[in-house]
Amino acid sequence: GAGVSQSPSNKVTEKGKDVELRCDPISGHTALYWYRQSLGQGLEFLIYFQGNSAPDKSGLPSDRFSAERTGGSVSTLTIQRTQQEDSAVYLCASSLGGQPNTEAFFGQGTRLTVV
Amino acid sequence: KQEVTQIPAALSVPEGENLVLNCSFTDSAIYNLQWFRQDPGKGLTSLLLIQSSQREQTSGRLNASLDKSSGRSTLYIAASQPGDSATYLCAVANDYKLSFGAGTTVTVRA
Repeated sequence: GAGVSQSPSNKVTEKGKDVELRCDPISGHTALYWYRQSLGQGLEFLIYFQGNSAPDKSGLPSDRFSAERTGGSVSTLTIQRTQQEDSAVYLCASSLGGQPNTEAFFGQGTRLTVV
Repeated sequence: KQEVTQIPAALSVPEGENLVLNCSFTDSAIYNLQWFRQDPGKGLTSLLLIQSSQREQTSGRLNASLDKSSGRSTLYIAASQPGDSATYLCAVANDYKLSFGAGTTVTVRA
């Protein structure tokens, strides 16, 4: 597609439920990132995928968070047993390669509200 | 750990004035610096990417400078317009991860 696509754009869920957030990167981009933007806080790195390499999961805040990337393209971020503190905007980005000098392009984000 | 600071946190100017947004970072061993724009409730739009070997980048009314040794970047927006109202974020890459500042929220008054 023309840009990074995320779905859903908004998600309201009850505390304790599981949610799945989807990211479709720009075609041909091998690097994919998930970030979280909480109210009043900056963007927080969650996880990074590069090609077929093992992902860097160092930013995931707890073992309730997981992510996968199928076929080197679409990625899904799963949050199990959601808590109110998980409420945030989840942003996905992709870039052309794993080299750190390439431009990152972001999607519109998924606004997650846990009630 | 990289720390990125953006000053001021908020800025309000009349239409037509030039905007100056500042970004500083603590670890100068960066690969690049990227400026983004974020509109309320939206994602991030990339404005400019400056490689570590570059001193500045320009795109239309936007000009960004980079002084890597002193850990600073400045985004200039010439002849501001109400449509420039948004939050501007600075991000630096020490490796493949980006470290973000908290942003400067700009309001351009018509």
